[in-house]
Amino acid sequence: GAGVSQSPSNKVTEKGKDVELRCDPISGHTALYWYRQSLGQGLEFLIYFQGNSAPDKSGLPSDRFSAERTGGSVSTLTIQRTQQEDSAVYLCASSLGGAGNTIYFGEGSWLTVV
Amino acid sequence: AQSVTQPDIHITVSEGASLELRCNYSYGATPYLFWYVQSPGQGLQLLLKYFSGDTLVQGIKGFEAEFKRSQSSFNLRKPSVHWSDAAEYFCAVGAGNNDMRFGAGTRLTVKP
Repeated sequence: GAGVSQSPSNKVTEKGKDVELRCDPISGHTALYWYRQSLGQGLEFLIYFQGNSAPDKSGLPSDRFSAERTGGSVSTLTIQRTQQEDSAVYLCASSLGGAGNTIYFGEGSWLTVV
Repeated sequence: AQSVTQPDIHITVSEGASLELRCNYSYGATPYLFWYVQSPGQGLQLLLKYFSGDTLVQGIKGFEAEFKRSQSSFNLRKPSVHWSDAAEYFCAVGAGNNDMRFGAGTRLTVKP
């Protein structure tokens, strides 16, 4: 597609359940990012994939969070045993590899844990 | 890793007044600096970026920003604010591999 695509756009889940959020980056973009934006909060870095390099996972808040990127394209962010504090908008972005390239954001996946 | 500080959580300006949003970064090498805007209910849109060269960069919607290495700053400015500029503004710093970190954001309110 023309832009970064995320699904689902909205997800309501019960506390303790696992959720998967999907991101389809712009075709040809080798860099992929996940951020979290809580209500009234800034953009919290979660994880960064660049080509075949080992991902930078330093922003994942706990071991309940994991992400993978298959075939250098689609990425899935998984949250296990969801907690209420996980409620947020999860934003995916992608860019061409290399310094200074603009990153393009998807519309986000709004997660509500009840 | 690189980091960004936006000292002002919320700023209110009158329509037609000038605007300056502050951004300070921390990074050991030459930074790549960005400003993004998030309007209510909208996705994030790039306003401008500094890559190299002229330290005063022009962006869309009449915004500009100036990179000051000595102050580790990249402040965003606009000479005359319009009501449609009300939004959340994020400063970001990119490392050499384009690993990007954002500030906490500054929410801009425009008074009539």
